[in-house]
Amino acid sequence: DAGVIQSPRHEVTEMGQEVTLRCKPISGHNSLFWYRQTMMRGLELLIYFNNNVPIDDSGMPEDRFSAKMPNASFSTLKIQPSEPRDSAVYFCASSPRQDPHSEQFFGPGTRLTVL
Amino acid sequence: AQSVSQHNHHVILSEAASLELGCNYSYGGTVNLFWYVQYPGQHLQLLLKYFSGDPLVKGIKGFEAEFIKSKFSFNLRKPSVQWSDTAEYFCAVNLMDSSYKLIFGSGTRLLVRP
Repeated sequence: DAGVIQSPRHEVTEMGQEVTLRCKPISGHNSLFWYRQTMMRGLELLIYFNNNVPIDDSGMPEDRFSAKMPNASFSTLKIQPSEPRDSAVYFCASSPRQDPHSEQFFGPGTRLTVL
Repeated sequence: AQSVSQHNHHVILSEAASLELGCNYSYGGTVNLFWYVQYPGQHLQLLLKYFSGDPLVKGIKGFEAEFIKSKFSFNLRKPSVQWSDTAEYFCAVNLMDSSYKLIFGSGTRLLVRP
């Protein structure tokens, strides 16, 4: 099993540019989560999907952030325009089902630096 | 709002020392509790979890945690740490409501000196 796959692993961009982060969940998993990790705020849930449908996006910081899940095997997190304060590690996680007992499996993360 | 507190942000221990990392949550309802570990440069991995039953939960690599409902705590322990335990440890709570969200603590960075 390849686990959760994220790309790119590192992204350096300039302020104002569009950034797209990608995630492939574990095959068969129905729930997908996007987290952001910073020194100041720790790990924050941005949005999660169940069966490709966004369930809770209350953690999305502002309209510059958007996420999609067009099918069960792919999700994107887009930031447009990017700002230096968006610099963080972005993790994607997937879970077999929408079940509070279900473990979340994390990807390796994308380290984003916005200059 | 619900929250998870990890009071120790940095812990430094020598090998063979005992470890206890604190975790407290603020939520009056039923919860599921998790400890995740993030080794340097790696992604988060599950160490152990508690759903119900025996409040003393054993996980991988010799770790255990005890759920004390009256104290809203879920402290992580290991009797004898190794250099390879150097990592960041996150406590997380899953609220048994319709949101199924994991709420993470701020993490504790553990450095084990050989």
